[in-house]
Amino acid sequence: DTAVSQTPKYLVTQMGNDKSIKCEQNLGHDTMYWYKQDSKKFLKIMFSYNNKELIINETVPNRFSPKSPDKAHLNLHINSLELGDSAVYFCASSQDRGTEAFFGQGTRLTVV
Amino acid sequence: KQEVTQIPAALSVPEGENLVLNCSFTDSAIYNLQWFRQDPGKGLTSLLLIQSSQREQTSGRLNASLDKSSGRSTLYIAASQPGDSATYLCAVAQGGKLIFGQGTELSVKP
Repeated sequence: DTAVSQTPKYLVTQMGNDKSIKCEQNLGHDTMYWYKQDSKKFLKIMFSYNNKELIINETVPNRFSPKSPDKAHLNLHINSLELGDSAVYFCASSQDRGTEAFFGQGTRLTVV
Repeated sequence: KQEVTQIPAALSVPEGENLVLNCSFTDSAIYNLQWFRQDPGKGLTSLLLIQSSQREQTSGRLNASLDKSSGRSTLYIAASQPGDSATYLCAVAQGGKLIFGQGTELSVKP
């Protein structure tokens, strides 16, 4: 059973399009995150939700909108995609803020 | 602002060697420190988590230490194997999020 699963694994799209990445965790955790890994493989937090409530929004452009329909799901919608949005996006979850985090397999987004 | 640094950026060793990966952080007010492994094109696998009150954690051939006052952690890998080849990431938990170093890319040659 995959603990944190993301779909799709790969996403290639044109500039200006809108796309969504879905994330689900079956660990019963209260907190979920989106991280971005850039071309230099540096990982940085984007958003954090605790029990469906937005906790952290790390100065991400408002073209990025996370949505948490329930505490097991955290989706990421990106409007008007730009070349610079190309990266690997990781979803993660933890029992609580700051406890051990478990990561999904990542979604490689390529904007052409 | 917390900054996490990992040295070296890349390391190549022959199979069987013991090795140490280093991680340093600038602000000692951390909740915990986690070591992860990332294989090419894959997600992050949690290796060890050390709470801020702990000094070390062990799992199999891996041993991680934490010296919070000096802002340092090390990951010791005993008797390295080719299957250990991956990127190793250190992250500190602070302010409800993980702050990552840029990783050490390890290659273990048969």
